[in-house]
Amino acid sequence: SAVISQKPSRDICQRGTSLTIQCQVDSQVTMMFWYRQQPGQSLTLIATANQGSEATYESGFVIDKFPISRPNLTFSTLTVSNMSPEDSSIYLCSVEFSGGKTEAFFGQGTRLTVV
Amino acid sequence: AQTVTQSQPEMSVQEAETVTLSCTYDTSENNYYLFWYKQPPSRQMILVIRQEAYKQQNATENRFSVNFQKAAKSFSLKISDSQLGDTAMYFCAFMKPTGTASKLTFGTGTRLQVTL
Repeated sequence: SAVISQKPSRDICQRGTSLTIQCQVDSQVTMMFWYRQQPGQSLTLIATANQGSEATYESGFVIDKFPISRPNLTFSTLTVSNMSPEDSSIYLCSVEFSGGKTEAFFGQGTRLTVV
Repeated sequence: AQTVTQSQPEMSVQEAETVTLSCTYDTSENNYYLFWYKQPPSRQMILVIRQEAYKQQNATENRFSVNFQKAAKSFSLKISDSQLGDTAMYFCAFMKPTGTASKLTFGTGTRLQVTL
């Protein structure tokens, strides 16, 4: 397993601003994933973050709105840009180990409220 | 594309009783993995149990077991001797390994309440 730390755990932001969420893992991982969980909903994959390359975005999500950085094998950030109340969600990072272990571990999530 | 369906939005069970949560999925793949995750109010997604599709034997983890029916594309979770700490949202998830990126597709979740 892995220890995955997400910061901040929660935030209340003004519309039109941006928030950057950090995800730190205690060991090197190949793939990191960012999910969104809207209120009362399931998890939806935003993008997959590779170290050293552009993130791969799922349908309905674009880089201008959700820019992602992956500077090394233990760290990634997700920015929610130009926020609106519809962006109020829980954002979770997830990791899969480079050994191809067939399971995903999650951070504790960031609860974002946009007012 | 894969889909995962959880038809029970909410379930309730008394402490020490047994409850079964349903999950069906749709895929044309032969090799894949299935998971049940638990999400308590703390928001942390916790892996409960995992099943490899190529294994006929149902996975078990202490009080948690699955009934995996590959032909029927069914993957139910049985919780025995329910405890108050089992109260949470439970998500069924499908993973198709695709090279270096193995993405999860989640169902809509079942909210389980364990009562005294």
